[in-house]
Amino acid sequence: EIVLTQSPATLSLSPGERATLSCRASQSVSTYLAWYQQKPGQAPRLLIYHASTRAPGIPARFSGSGSGTDFTLTISSLEPEDFAVYYCQQRSNWPQLSFGGGTKVEVK
Amino acid sequence: QVQLQGSGPGLVKPSETLSLTCTVSGDSVSSGRYYWSWIRQPPGKGLEWLGYISYSGTTNYNPSLKSRGTISIDTSKNQFSLMLTSVTAADTAVYYCARDSGSMLRGADVWGQGTTVTVSS
Repeated sequence: EIVLTQSPATLSLSPGERATLSCRASQSVSTYLAWYQQKPGQAPRLLIYHASTRAPGIPARFSGSGSGTDFTLTISSLEPEDFAVYYCQQRSNWPQLSFGGGTKVEVK
Repeated sequence: QVQLQGSGPGLVKPSETLSLTCTVSGDSVSSGRYYWSWIRQPPGKGLEWLGYISYSGTTNYNPSLKSRGTISIDTSKNQFSLMLTSVTAADTAVYYCARDSGSMLRGADVWGQGTTVTVSS
């Protein structure tokens, strides 16, 4: 089983600031990693797949990077609607998938 | 526009069977391009992938379900379903159905709104 560890658990930032979220895998997942955003009371939304490819309709301020075991989701300048919980998901072990524990981006 | 609509009872008694259905509109579960998945989220916690079914009926499950889970597909109704037997309080969660690319490359790009299930006597 591939375990994903996300850090920090909570990130307190102000609108306009840069957010850097980390996801670390217990073994290499190559670039088979996706990121999702979840707002309160809503279903998750796919942001990034294949570590760095934005899903259709996702703003350019969201970017993903990394390979192997270390990945980063960056939000270049936080908009009010970006305050949410973010999850990474490994897809290297397809068809067995798993999610990280999530990082909450909250207003400072 | 593709939409997934989950449905099912909101309250299930311990030891009984949880049954949920996801109705797909704007796409066909038999198109062969996607895998149809279930994911759940316990209150205040993270996401847990439960399993998927393909158009041909191929399934795969999270081992954590310990053989309690069954996902099925009804192409005539454009639906897929989840059954979870012998439920306990630990199965209390919001259950999401989702459309998954079925490959390592992409992800689950369309999600249902979530169905809240409480296991309680």
